[in-house]
Amino acid sequence: DAKTTQPPSMDCAEGRAANLPCNHSTISGNEYVYWYRQIHSQGPQYIIHGLKNNETNEMASLIITEDRKSSTLILPHATLRDTAVYYCIVSVGKLIFGQGTELSVKP
Amino acid sequence: ETGVTQTPRHLVMGMTNKKSLKCEQHLGHNAMYWYKQSAKKPLELMFVYSLEERVENNSVPSRFSPECPNSSHLFLHLHTLQPEDSALYLCASSRIQYDEQFFGPGTRLTVL
Repeated sequence: DAKTTQPPSMDCAEGRAANLPCNHSTISGNEYVYWYRQIHSQGPQYIIHGLKNNETNEMASLIITEDRKSSTLILPHATLRDTAVYYCIVSVGKLIFGQGTELSVKP
Repeated sequence: ETGVTQTPRHLVMGMTNKKSLKCEQHLGHNAMYWYKQSAKKPLELMFVYSLEERVENNSVPSRFSPECPNSSHLFLHLHTLQPEDSALYLCASSRIQYDEQFFGPGTRLTVL
């Protein structure tokens, strides 16, 4: 079973920041937080991952709380093409996917 | 384009047929994976290969038979499938086992 809890769906206005939360209260000290997304009818796409520190890349930012029990993925300027299911996974390697959050970016 | 290709993209087969799914990665990776995604269900890891050796088999029925002839190619041989095996089958690769994974577009399989 997935070790994370995510809201099943969220809406975001185009051009605004999308903040996707994830709870992982049972995370172990050596487990990373990974984020992937899956656009309809395509394979999942890696977004970002982190252990303790906040991370940023060209796609998104990952904010991990100090106790590591939750995290937030931030898409700074959401576009219509960011509409997808976003998966938060905690793991030392093997990916166990949950149901994810279905993000709808609306004009 | 992720550098991972899968063929065919769509496949319809009867329960008595034998078919194979093919995955090819052009990334120089050493690990490859098969996942199954059924309707309304999360992705399920089926098999993991690292350096052409199978390192994980997640209780997958024997009617699914993987083959990894080299580090760039991965096959999933199918025989006597059931209608409930209809799903999207996804291949992925990573530089080393369980590193960041790159997924192919998937093969949409329908078993009649």
